[in-house]
Amino acid sequence: ELKVEQNPLFLSMQEGKNYTIYCNYSTTSDRLYWYRQDPGKSLESLFVLLSNGAVKQEGRLMASLDTKARLSTLHITAAVHDLSATYFCAVANPGNTPLVFGKGTRLSVIA
Amino acid sequence: NAGVMQNPRHLVRRRGQEARLRCSPMKGHSHVYWYRQLPEEGLKFMVYLQKENIIDESGMPKERFSAEFPKEGPSILRIQQVVRGDSAAYFCASSAVGGNTEAFFGQGTRLTVV
Repeated sequence: ELKVEQNPLFLSMQEGKNYTIYCNYSTTSDRLYWYRQDPGKSLESLFVLLSNGAVKQEGRLMASLDTKARLSTLHITAAVHDLSATYFCAVANPGNTPLVFGKGTRLSVIA
Repeated sequence: NAGVMQNPRHLVRRRGQEARLRCSPMKGHSHVYWYRQLPEEGLKFMVYLQKENIIDESGMPKERFSAEFPKEGPSILRIQQVVRGDSAAYFCASSAVGGNTEAFFGQGTRLTVV
């Protein structure tokens, strides 16, 4: 059974600082997604990572995937308040099965 | 091209009543997924449907819950005889191709059982 673990689950960081969120998963997968969720809102797709060594960047967020280590990271550079949200990683089982989500990392960026 | 539409956005039911949640996928999408999110938790997969077929219902509780995606009209998630523990946000997602391809999420229905 595929398990997805994120850490930390809660993260409070100061504006301007850097930090990394980690996503580990337990079985082989060939794609991984990062989503953002604001309170009371739906999930917004941020990144789709399809292969080992994939790195994608959008603004202050950068995501990477190491399929051998079964690890993805979401790196935040020079955080700003607008990045405050909950970030989920979701991993695809090989084959025709839906995504398995981590519990999410609730990020709070403070002045 | 409208996104995934869910209604109602908020639903309040008394214990023992029925809840019906609707999901209209994005135009051109024929695969629908339902997820449940409890407070402070991630999304838990419930059921995966294609038009008129249930592909994977491994995440659905065995009793009181059912889902359909008819040839015409939205997908429906139905919860009979609701209990307080059913209170959660229910999200629907759709994709053009099945399985683990990228899915797009609706705004969710927040069910409160009183």
